Amino acid sequence: QSVLTQPPSASGTPGQTVTISCSGSSSNVGNNYVYWYQQLSGTAPKLLIYRNNERSSGAPDRFSGSKSGTSASLTISGLRSEDEGDYHCATRDDSVSGLWVFGGGTKLTVL
Amino acid sequence: QVQLQESGPGLVKPSQTLSLTCTVSGASISAGSYYWSWIRQPAGKGLEWIGHVYVYFSGSTTYNPSLKSRVTISADTSKNQFSLNLSSVTAADSAVYYCAMRCGSCYNDGFDIWGQGTLVTVSS
Repeated sequence: QSVLTQPPSASGTPGQTVTISCSGSSSNVGNNYVYWYQQLSGTAPKLLIYRNNERSSGAPDRFSGSKSGTSASLTISGLRSEDEGDYHCATRDDSVSGLWVFGGGTKLTVL
Repeated sequence: QVQLQESGPGLVKPSQTLSLTCTVSGASISAGSYYWSWIRQPAGKGLEWIGHVYVYFSGSTTYNPSLKSRVTISADTSKNQFSLNLSSVTAADSAVYYCAMRCGSCYNDGFDIWGQGTLVTVSS
């Protein structure tokens, strides 16, 4: 049972816009930056978004992040086949100093 | 560029201790601002942060409370490596284990560098 809640799956066709949500609480998402990681099949996660909405080096501008209250979202516009994979949100949790928590991951399928 | 590489046994017996090492190249684990973490992912599941070591600050460690009683993360500056020991393992500890680095004082303070991961199976 992950601390942050993500939908297990999402899908879209090429060119569409897809949004993945990440829900937490006041001790984690509500009071800390949110980070998004992309994990393509059989590979290690890769940092995509940091500090809620900043794209990591090399991340296409089709990827954007936002946060409101205790929820965050990752939006992928102009969906491409190579975007298919798992997406994980992460943030700190104030219940323990230095603690990081993740969502359960969302599997994105490009139809 | 900075690279991380995990190593260790791929099979551990129940009740024994899982031991993994992460070898760092391209950066010194003693450098200020770098936090060296272990993160795991059971098959088909999400990521779980295990803990980190901050070598620059006297090798201080922080652990996930869910694993704290069984985890030790340490560093060997002479080899530029950091290690994970997880005791009393059960099948629930079977997972791909990743080592990862983040720069705590950088504007981009996410887990920016990851190892390729190593699969550990707990089975008799």
